[in-house]
Amino acid sequence: GQQVMQIPQYQHVQEGEDFTTYCNSSTTLSNIQWYKQRPGGHPVFLIQLVKSGEVKKQKRLTFQFGEAKKNSSLHITATQTTDVGTYFCAGPLYNTNAGKSTFGDGTTLTVKP
Amino acid sequence: DAGITQSPRYKITETGRQVTLMCHQTWSHSYMFWYRQDLGHGLRLIYYSAAADITDKGEVPDGYVVSRSKTENFPLTLESATRSQTSVYFCAGSDSSYNEQFFGPGTRLTVL
Repeated sequence: GQQVMQIPQYQHVQEGEDFTTYCNSSTTLSNIQWYKQRPGGHPVFLIQLVKSGEVKKQKRLTFQFGEAKKNSSLHITATQTTDVGTYFCAGPLYNTNAGKSTFGDGTTLTVKP
Repeated sequence: DAGITQSPRYKITETGRQVTLMCHQTWSHSYMFWYRQDLGHGLRLIYYSAAADITDKGEVPDGYVVSRSKTENFPLTLESATRSQTSVYFCAGSDSSYNEQFFGPGTRLTVL
């Protein structure tokens, strides 16, 4: 079954509000990747975190990897309509799936202008 | 990304027919993956390949067959399509099994 959980499943925000999605794994991850999929599009790689406690920023996006390497978050400051889409986390679970990345079910963000 | 192309982009078929979805890469990714995406289930791995002539099952392989005789091509065949295989199929490439993946544009398959 699914061992990478994302919450919330859906998030509706007003443009300018902040947004956060959380990714939780049942086991330790060697790394965590984040992808964005625009409506009708394909997943596009955003970033990869490897180190425990790592924080990376891309303009208004902040990515964090938990100290125990079992959870991660993506925070968007002051959302814009261009942020609309589904955000997926993915990571290789130890002793599962032969080391291949498992994807969460994603958080779908809608932004009201 | 033009590195991964998929064809056809849209396909309608009937139950019981054989269907092959094509995936081609212009880069030299050693790993290639097939996923299906259904509402509420995110991306589920069907099959993957670590190199030419090396393939292995993913999370949901039943009803699918893959081959990889050349590094650049990774076709996915539905031997006898069923309605439950109606989905969007994505092919992806990577330099490893656990790092960033580059996805193709997807094939939307409808089985009537």
